[in-house]
This record gives sequence, C-alpha cells and structure tokens, in this order.
Amino acid sequence: DGGITQSPKYLFRKEGQNVTLSCEQNLNHDAMYWYRQDPGQGLRLIYYSQIVNDFQKGDIAEGYSVSREKKESFPLTVTSAQKNPTAFYLCASSMDSAYDNEQFFGPGTRLTVL
Amino acid sequence: DQQVKQNSPSLSVQEGRISILNCDYTNSMFDYFLWYKKYPAEGPTFLISISSIKDKNEDGRFTVFLNKSAKHLSLHIVPSQPGDSAVYFCAAILSGGGADGLTFGKGTHLIIQP
Repeated sequence: DGGITQSPKYLFRKEGQNVTLSCEQNLNHDAMYWYRQDPGQGLRLIYYSQIVNDFQKGDIAEGYSVSREKKESFPLTVTSAQKNPTAFYLCASSMDSAYDNEQFFGPGTRLTVL
Repeated sequence: DQQVKQNSPSLSVQEGRISILNCDYTNSMFDYFLWYKKYPAEGPTFLISISSIKDKNEDGRFTVFLNKSAKHLSLHIVPSQPGDSAVYFCAAILSGGGADGLTFGKGTHLIIQP
C-alpha cells in the first residue's frame, strides 16, 4: 500500500529536550512538507523539501530543523528553542508538478511537551 | 495577515440539505485551490480542487465554485450526510506551482445533524 507514515502517533517530552518526528513516504514523491496545526488555526508550513538534500524554511521554521537524506524520508526535529512546541504535526508529500499538486498527508503526530 | 480566510469557524446543517462552505483569499497570485477534509487526530484528506481557469468543478456530491473577481470560492455538498461532519480546510497555491507548500485557511467545522 502506498502512503505516508508518521510515527509515533502520540509523543511526550520534557521541556528542554529535542525530539525528532518521523515521516516516511513510498509514493515516490519528490516534494515533502511539514505543517503544524494548533486549535482554531489552519495548517502552517514549517519546512518543505522539493528534492533530496535540499529544503527550505516555511512560515514558522524557527525552533525546528529538518533533513532530507533520502527521497522517502523527511524527519523533523523540534528543538528546545521552539517556544511553544505542543501541537499536532502533519507531514505531507506531493509530485513536483506545476499544477494538480495535490498533497497527501500522513496521520499526524501529537506532540505534548510537559 | 491571513491570505486565505474561512470566516465561519463552524456550520450546522441538517442531513439531506445542502452544505455551503466559503473561503476568501487576498493574494491575486493564487491560481489553484483545494479543499481538504479532516477528522480529529487524523491527517487531512484531499476532497476536490479547482484551477483559476475554471469557475466550477464537480465531483459527485461535491462542487467547488470559484469567483475570481471576488476572490471567493465555495464548496457545496449535496445532499449532506452524517459522514460529512468534519473540519474542512480551504487551501491555495501560488501560480508557478505548489512545491513550496499550500496556504491554508483556519478551517470550518461542519456538523451534520440528523
């Protein structure tokens, strides 16, 4: 089955600790994205990657880091510098085409920082 | 400043009736629009999209209308069913491609009442 997986579904961390969220896709998509969703908010873009070994900051990149060493994988690290890390994190991927650029989303990871 | 706005946080509709979800945008460089449906604690799923060269796109019970001059789009669901209860996000892509992410509205929570 093709799709996007995110693990774990729920994650708890102590304040001041870095934590890495996993995102894997087997859709052979070039582009991958990380969004965060907060209550009453839309999805806000953290980082995106159009191709392996390349990534760009989104609207709210501060306090986050990513890597794209493999096409299928785009892990997100929430660092201790992120002031308000508790949120629902969503990973997505898409074919890198000019139109019909539908993004497919993973099931999400809910991160709670205690 | 929000570039994609969904001004109704929630909408309640009786089963069998039409649901109309609205979305406004401010950036005239957006030229492709998508609607996503999201259940709690899950990733959004793609519903329907429309290019700016069209003013209507229909897929089964779902129709999206685009009024470019008013920078407004709407999603019509007819007839509404209980399984349609979810949060609906409007999203937009800048002209030239969406590989740098989608811009989302804050969502509208649709509640279908029996």
